[in-house]
Amino acid sequence: DVKVTQSSRYLVKRTGEKVFLECVQDMDHENMFWYRQDPGLGLRLIYFSYDVKMKEKGDIPEGYSVSREKKERFSLILESASTNQTSMYLCASMGGILGANVLTFGAGSRLTVL
Amino acid sequence: AQSVTQLGSHVSVSEGALVLLRCNYSSSVPPYLFWYVQYPNQGLQLLLKYTSAATLVKGINGFEAEFKKSETSFHLTKPSAHMSDAAEYFCAVTSTGFQKLVFGTGTRLLVSP
Repeated sequence: DVKVTQSSRYLVKRTGEKVFLECVQDMDHENMFWYRQDPGLGLRLIYFSYDVKMKEKGDIPEGYSVSREKKERFSLILESASTNQTSMYLCASMGGILGANVLTFGAGSRLTVL
Repeated sequence: AQSVTQLGSHVSVSEGALVLLRCNYSSSVPPYLFWYVQYPNQGLQLLLKYTSAATLVKGINGFEAEFKKSETSFHLTKPSAHMSDAAEYFCAVTSTGFQKLVFGTGTRLLVSP
């Protein structure tokens, strides 16, 4: 019954490495999101996409980019990882009418940058 | 600008006791309000949502929340805590569209036997 799948649950990378976080949803949702979760800060929106090849910056886009080449897949890219990007990353999707506002989340990808 | 404040980063209750998790919001227009729950090593899942229909909203697992406009609150309650309720709970608000969903900082619920 998995609906939003994040391919990597745990990653350890070195400073300066390029990091790809992959997210796939099987609900044919138009909208997909990447959040970052840190203790005491809650969830903060990095980027979202409302259609294939479309993207919008969220509240903390610096140091990140995204790619959405297919409707079901939304990738988060860290061009040059830094230690302050050590965090839990959550992907989510949302479909239906605009008023639904209900997000379906993946299990998360915990990234450690050394 | 909209925002949400969750009072208490940790709440401890005994099994069978009342659960009360507090959420206050700030919004210049009528909001949509949500509670999400995150169990250990999992993503968030929706508990319940308020979308300007009934002010008392019932969710999954026996949780409910009441929208009080005069107090700008949307507190989450459950009459009797169960060990399986131990998790982190997030309140969220939006009034300007889905891309502006703003989350609180979360409250971790601890349930002791």
